[in-house]
Amino acid sequence: DTEVTQTPKHLVMGMTNKKSLKCEQHMGHRAMYWYKQKAKKPPELMFVYSYEKLSINESVPSRFSPECPNSSLLNLHLHALQPEDSALYLCASSQDLAEAFFGQGTRLTVV
Amino acid sequence: GDSVTQMEGPVTLSEEAFLTINCTYTATGYPSLFWYVQYPGEGLQLLLKATKADDKGSNKGFEATYRKETTSFHLEKGSVQVSDSAVYFCALSERGSTLGRLYFGRGTQLTVWP
Repeated sequence: DTEVTQTPKHLVMGMTNKKSLKCEQHMGHRAMYWYKQKAKKPPELMFVYSYEKLSINESVPSRFSPECPNSSLLNLHLHALQPEDSALYLCASSQDLAEAFFGQGTRLTVV
Repeated sequence: GDSVTQMEGPVTLSEEAFLTINCTYTATGYPSLFWYVQYPGEGLQLLLKATKADDKGSNKGFEATYRKETTSFHLEKGSVQVSDSAVYFCALSERGSTLGRLYFGRGTQLTVWP
């Protein structure tokens, strides 16, 4: 199984809402990532978890809060987002220097 | 710091034409190199990879060779198909504190016409 599963596929939320994005992998990978991708741009790194600990935070605003409950799961909690946060949010996992596997992404629209 | 420079697009080709997408990189160490492909509305899929100098990655008719002397990893395909229409990203990752994070090029939109 080389799959990274993200839910939901699409999400529309208001600026006062709280929502969560979920990511799951069963490949035993110890590194998991959140990337943000705007239209016609490459993915931008947000967070890196290594062995379930937050290792890199790319100066992401506090309205984005990551969580790694166990080695297979990665969440991204969203609160008080702005319309400019609308984007495709991609989860990925990798082991050592092997390739990263990406999920299909969550298309987020903030209204 | 690490970075990837990818040729500007978009690239428009007729079916069965030859494809080259140029990619060069800057890295402080000895990176692994990747090409990812993104179809409309989807996530990124690994197309091919190379982990050391002179390695050739290949998949689905696409090839790229890790050239340390020219710091390049150009993507090629001898005969493109309409189904190859997508955005292609060149990327690198390094050891150490970067924890396998990927540095992406800007992406190149490829459109293949029948």
